[in-house]
Amino acid sequence: GAVVSQHPSWVICKSGTSVKIECRSLDFQATTMFWYRQFPKQSLMLMATSNEGSKATYEQGVEKDKFLINHASLTLSTLTVTSAHPEDSSFYICSAAAGTSNSYEQYFGPGTRLTVT
Amino acid sequence: AQSVTQLGSHVSVSEGALVLLRCNYSSSVPPYLFWYVQYPNQGLQLLLKYTTGATLVKGINGFEAEFKKSETSFHLTKPSAHMSDAAEYFCAVSRASKIIFGSGTRLSIRP
Repeated sequence: GAVVSQHPSWVICKSGTSVKIECRSLDFQATTMFWYRQFPKQSLMLMATSNEGSKATYEQGVEKDKFLINHASLTLSTLTVTSAHPEDSSFYICSAAAGTSNSYEQYFGPGTRLTVT
Repeated sequence: AQSVTQLGSHVSVSEGALVLLRCNYSSSVPPYLFWYVQYPNQGLQLLLKYTTGATLVKGINGFEAEFKKSETSFHLTKPSAHMSDAAEYFCAVSRASKIIFGSGTRLSIRP
């Protein structure tokens, strides 16, 4: 149980284009989803927290207009990197929390490798 | 503010030797603590977690960790390392639904 998937697993795009990454909770309803970014050989940095039906809460320093997050249902959140540039190349990982009683535990997706050329 | 500090960005041990990965936390309230493992180009897998109760926590793959409030530590151990344990390990603390990760420790296993 508690499986989270991401699609695509890797993507290459040209500078200036937009890329959408999907995060799905496959066997549970995720009231809260999180998006992280991980640079090579570094730790995960929380980008934003999204609750179903609400606007995402972005961490300090994360551009909300560049990283658009939509959490339209209890099983799907999307991250769109708009007007991507090479410096946006990174490993993006989502996670999902099942409910307030277990909100301390997050289930992580396998990650999406984004390369911007 | 809550945070975790992982001592040692890289640890190398021989196969069959004890694995010890160090983690110290700072928190003004009792924390929830986690250890995650990440294999190359993959997401994170939860090894174990401490929330309340027993301070010695047993996880998957033979790993365990002990919550020591007096030392503000949550070190990860495994009695005998396997080659398959080579990976990146992250200690993390959670409060108010957010998880804050340490900088990670890369574990290498020597044959």
